[in-house]
Amino acid sequence: GAGVSQSPSNKVTEKGKDVELRCDPISGHTALYWYRQRLGQGLEFLIYFQGNSAPDKSGLPSDRFSAERTGESVSTLTIQRTQQEDSAVYLCASSLDLRGNYGYTFGSGTRLTVV
Amino acid sequence: DAKTTQPNSMESNEEEPVHLPCNHSTISGTDYIHWYRQLPSQGPEYVIHGLTSNVNNRMASLAIAEDRKSSTLILHRATLRDAAVYYCILRGFRNSGNTPLVFGKGTRLSVIA
Repeated sequence: GAGVSQSPSNKVTEKGKDVELRCDPISGHTALYWYRQRLGQGLEFLIYFQGNSAPDKSGLPSDRFSAERTGESVSTLTIQRTQQEDSAVYLCASSLDLRGNYGYTFGSGTRLTVV
Repeated sequence: DAKTTQPNSMESNEEEPVHLPCNHSTISGTDYIHWYRQLPSQGPEYVIHGLTSNVNNRMASLAIAEDRKSSTLILHRATLRDAAVYYCILRGFRNSGNTPLVFGKGTRLSVIA
């Protein structure tokens, strides 16, 4: 596609429910990244993929968070047993590959509200 | 990746040039200088990046000091739409095990009509 697409754009869920957030990167981009941004705060890095592999999962806030990527394309971020502190905008980005001379393209994000 | 230092905020008048500074005194020889901006209620947007030479694109210019310890993002004619938080980030050139972009606090640019 022309850009990075994220769905849903907004999600309201009850505390304790599981949610899945989807990211469709730009076709051909091998690197994919997830970030979180709480209201009024900076971007917090969560996890990245090179192809379908996530070499470092240490940025995930807790074991309730997991992510996968298939076919070097779509990625899903899953949050189990959501808590109110999970409320944030979840941003996905992709780049041609991991090397430093390539820029990132971000999606518009999924705004998650846990009530 | 090496650390960058930016002013917390800056203000500009509409239709005037804006020079956004960034210090990166510990930059290594293979670090690229990236600039992103985040408009209100949107995801970050790539602006420009460079290594040693000055760079120009349709959005902005990047002026890199000869010793590479600082750089300046130049918006040639600020518009109200340029009001955003601007992030200066260093990215190492490595084929594997690269760390992703780490966003600091950036510079909040206000544009006055």
